[in-house]
Amino acid sequence: SQTIHQWPATLVQPVGSPLSLECTVEGTSNPNLYWYRQAAGRGLQLLFYSVGIGQISSEVPQNLSASRPQDRQFILSSKKLLLSDSGFYLCAWSGTGLSTDTQYFGPGTRLTVL
Amino acid sequence: GQQLNQSPQSMFIQEGEDVSMNCTSSSIFNTWLWYKQDPGEGPVLLIALYKAGELTSNGRLTAQFGITRKDSFLNISASIPSDVGIYFCAGNHFTNAGKSTFGDGTTLTVKP
Repeated sequence: SQTIHQWPATLVQPVGSPLSLECTVEGTSNPNLYWYRQAAGRGLQLLFYSVGIGQISSEVPQNLSASRPQDRQFILSSKKLLLSDSGFYLCAWSGTGLSTDTQYFGPGTRLTVL
Repeated sequence: GQQLNQSPQSMFIQEGEDVSMNCTSSSIFNTWLWYKQDPGEGPVLLIALYKAGELTSNGRLTAQFGITRKDSFLNISASIPSDVGIYFCAGNHFTNAGKSTFGDGTTLTVKP
């Protein structure tokens, strides 16, 4: 069966510090991968989308970046965090071809920037 | 881009009551999905709909793919405290394969 992991689960960082959040998927190959941000009590904002290694689509301009160094590894980074980067970050995967419709979400990372 | 209007934004109900929420769009979708997010966790798929007019049940949950392909609703019957959470609708169109459009969610509170 497929599983998706995210770490860390929670993170408190000062403004201006760097960020690295990691997401890994097990039990599937060549998944589509996604990073979302969710503000408190709000909807899901798609940040990045990847269909393969090294292939990243950015959905919104921001000071965040994403990388996919391996097929089932997706990393969200920032060189300098802003207060507005606080939120709940969710990684998700989906299949390819006819299986792209359903996304499977990880447990999330709660980021607080102080 | 495509947008979904999900309503209501929040609901406060008594245990045992039925719940209904819906999503509408100005454009058509090929797939409608409903997710539930428990507090502090990632969303989990509840029901997926693939055909216009399709009515699908999952336990106490029932969802329908609107005949116009521009809307969907989710009903929860006989609510229980563990139904608390945020419910998201999502739509997919084949021209945007792999990227779902999500509604802003309906926050459900169930009073025992």
